[in-house]
Amino acid sequence: AQSVTQLGSHVSVSEGALVLLRCNYSSSVPPYLFWYVQYPNQGLQLLLKYTTGATLVKGINGFEAEFKKSETSFHLTKPSAHMSDAAEYFCAVIVNSGYSTLTFGKGTMLLVSP
Amino acid sequence: ETGVTQSPTHLIKTRGQQVTLRCSSQSGHNTVSWYQQALGQGPQFIFQYYREEENGRGNFPPRFSGLQFPNYSSELNVNALELDDSALYLCASREVGDLGSGYTFGSGTRLTVV
Repeated sequence: AQSVTQLGSHVSVSEGALVLLRCNYSSSVPPYLFWYVQYPNQGLQLLLKYTTGATLVKGINGFEAEFKKSETSFHLTKPSAHMSDAAEYFCAVIVNSGYSTLTFGKGTMLLVSP
Repeated sequence: ETGVTQSPTHLIKTRGQQVTLRCSSQSGHNTVSWYQQALGQGPQFIFQYYREEENGRGNFPPRFSGLQFPNYSSELNVNALELDDSALYLCASREVGDLGSGYTFGSGTRLTVV
């Protein structure tokens, strides 16, 4: 079975600072990895995904993530935070086994101060 | 693309009652999953339907049941509501075999049990 660990339930940054949200996964087979963002009282929006190929993936709103198999990590970064980035971020994994559905981490709330 | 739509957006029920939540999948998506997201938590997998049959289930009791219809719309039914069932219920769809695209999520139904 697969699992996802997100380090830090809350991360605070200043506007313009680097954003780093950490995600580690465990899986017995090669995973597909995703980051979703959730704004208050809304559903989940896909930020970016890793399937195969290039390990550095770019997403919407200037976010990117790097898949590191040796570290079983898929950390999310953005060079310069904007106030509008304040939201909850979820890392998720899916594997091609059984009925294949998403397994989520507990989420990290990103707080951006002026 | 019409996306995933859920109804109603908010619902208040009394403990012991029954509730039905509805979801219309994104056009072309034949697999639908339902998730429960308690306040401050990541989404938890309830079950998944493909071709009108349940093909996967998370750790939820039988009073959580579902249906998928030939047009790929679906329902989540919860009987004998408990206070702990208060949560955001998310519906998500994808095309079978297309794991790499991830799931498209609806905006959710906020259920409050009093």
